[in-house]
Amino acid sequence: AQSVAQPEDQVNVAEGNPLTVKCTYSVSGNPYLFWYVQYPNRGLQFLLKYITGDNLVKGSYGFEAEFNKSQTSFHLKKPSALVSDSALYFCAVSPLGGGGNKLTFGTGTQLKVEL
Amino acid sequence: GAGVSQSPSNKVTEKGKDVELRCDPISGHTALYWYRQRLGQGLEFLIYFQGNSAPDKSGLPSDRFSAERTGESVSTLTIQRTQQEDSAVYLCASSLAGLEADTQYFGPGTRLTVL
Repeated sequence: AQSVAQPEDQVNVAEGNPLTVKCTYSVSGNPYLFWYVQYPNRGLQFLLKYITGDNLVKGSYGFEAEFNKSQTSFHLKKPSALVSDSALYFCAVSPLGGGGNKLTFGTGTQLKVEL
Repeated sequence: GAGVSQSPSNKVTEKGKDVELRCDPISGHTALYWYRQRLGQGLEFLIYFQGNSAPDKSGLPSDRFSAERTGESVSTLTIQRTQQEDSAVYLCASSLAGLEADTQYFGPGTRLTVL
């Protein structure tokens, strides 16, 4: 069975500093990995995904994520955080083998960017 | 429409009543998913539709939960004899073809409160 872990419930960073939100996964074979962001009282918004190829994936709003197969990680990063980045971030993995891509989500990491 | 829409946005009901939640996917998306998000937790998969058939219902928590989809359009999630533990945000998502690498696009959710 596949699983995703987000070891930090909350991450606090100062505006302008780099941010990292951690994600590790457990899945058989090569994974498809996703990051979503959730703002208060809103649905999830897609940020980026890793399918294959370059380990550094660039996404929306200046976010990027690095796929590391040896460490089974897919950490979300941004070089310079903004207060408006404060939100709940979810990492997710998609299964292999056909039959649709029901996503398995981590428990989420609350990012707080302060002035 | 431009995105996935869900109605109602909020639903308050009494224990034991039935509720229906509606999802309108992005036009042209053949795959549709229902997830549940309990307070402070990640998302749990409920059911997946490919067209109007549901090849994966493995996440439905009990036989009080059912869902249907007409064609490649609207889906309704029905919860019969609601219980307090059913209180959650119910999120719908759609994707183009239901492949593992496809991006799922989420609606804003329906917040269900069972008194």
